Amino acid sequence: GAVVSQHPSRVICKSGTSVKIECRSLDFQATTMFWYRQFPKQSLMLMATSNEGSKATYEQGVEKDKFLINHASLTLSTLTVTSAHPEDSSFYICSAIVPNYGYTFGSGTRLTVV
Amino acid sequence: GDSVTQMEGPVTLSEEAFLTINCTYTATGYPSLFWYVQYPGEGLQLLLKATKADDKGSNKGFEATYRKETTSFHLEKGSVQVSDSAVYFCALGGGTSYGKLTFGQGTILTVHP
Repeated sequence: GAVVSQHPSRVICKSGTSVKIECRSLDFQATTMFWYRQFPKQSLMLMATSNEGSKATYEQGVEKDKFLINHASLTLSTLTVTSAHPEDSSFYICSAIVPNYGYTFGSGTRLTVV
Repeated sequence: GDSVTQMEGPVTLSEEAFLTINCTYTATGYPSLFWYVQYPGEGLQLLLKATKADDKGSNKGFEATYRKETTSFHLEKGSVQVSDSAVYFCALGGGTSYGKLTFGQGTILTVHP
């Protein structure tokens, strides 16, 4: 139980296009979801916290207009990287809080912008 | 603010060697402490956790004890296997009310046969 399904696992896009990453909670309701970014051989940096039905809270230095987060239902949160550039290439991971359990993570999305 | 510092890697060991990965933290209040493992190309999996001082988390032969006096949560395993090769992250979270996790920089472990 307590699975978060993240898609796609890998995506290659052209510079200037937008990419949407989805995270779905499969057997629980995710009121809160966290979005992290991981650079090669580095730690995870929290980008934003999304709460169902309200605006996401972004960490300092994260461009909210570039990284659009939508958490319209209790089972789905999406991260859209708008007008992607090569410097946005990274590994993006979502995480949800599972009641009475703790944190569970998606399997991650490897984004490559060419 | 909260922070986590892990020993620098990479760590390379032979199979059946003893493993220690150091982790120290700075936090206000009484955080919970976690170790996560990440295999190549995958997301994070919870390895073990401890929610209060002197608690010992254990799983798959790995252990870590929440030491409030030294603000540490070192990861240990008595005999590593090749399949333990992965990246290990120490993390802290906000006590009993779940909030964002703060991660250490990660330690790459490679175990050779």
